[in-house]
Amino acid sequence: RKEVEQDPGPFNVPEGATVAFNCTYSNSASQSFFWYRQDCRKEPKLLMSVYSSGNEDGRFTAQLNRASQYISLLIRDSKLSDSATYLCVVDTGGFKTIFGAGTRLFVKA
Amino acid sequence: NAGVTQTPKFRILKIGQSMTLQCAQDMNHNYMYWYRQDPGMGLKLIYYSVGAGITDKGEVPNGYNVSRSTTEDFPLRLELAAPSQTSVYFCASSYGQGLNSPLHFGNGTRLTVT
Repeated sequence: RKEVEQDPGPFNVPEGATVAFNCTYSNSASQSFFWYRQDCRKEPKLLMSVYSSGNEDGRFTAQLNRASQYISLLIRDSKLSDSATYLCVVDTGGFKTIFGAGTRLFVKA
Repeated sequence: NAGVTQTPKFRILKIGQSMTLQCAQDMNHNYMYWYRQDPGMGLKLIYYSVGAGITDKGEVPNGYNVSRSTTEDFPLRLELAAPSQTSVYFCASSYGQGLNSPLHFGNGTRLTVT
């Protein structure tokens, strides 16, 4: 079992749709969780950190479920510019940061 | 404030050649990292550094070396290039660790070894 697993997609959604991604992790001692966005042939960039109580940033909502060991990302009112690969990142401490392989999202007009 | 700067952007090496990937950051971050990203895979940590003069191995260090003589610079050295080192390399830095210290990445170096 991979340490961090994501559905690779691709998710193809129309503009204005709501889309959700899940990511599961295997290490119950994991400490910090993030969602990064990576555009084609570009570097990853932080989208949002994921706090225990969940957090929202505009159209984006992140949730953490420690009991079931997954985090989720919800994107509301999808824009064309949201098309990218979304990376789930789990930090287990001690410089052991595990990146998921990413979920590809295509938003079409 | 340029952030994290990597050079070169692209490079083609022949098997057995050596090269250095340069990385510099101007954010006064103590922590710096080198990752590689292969198609369909998550980023893998090659080496990291918690400060000038201190480096340590990550998950996939074989075939690579690093040095950290200053806070700003963290070059990655490939001594004997092999086809398995064909990848995209990202340098990153962070203030610390945890939720409030995300990684800041450079633009990446696309390396092909033939």
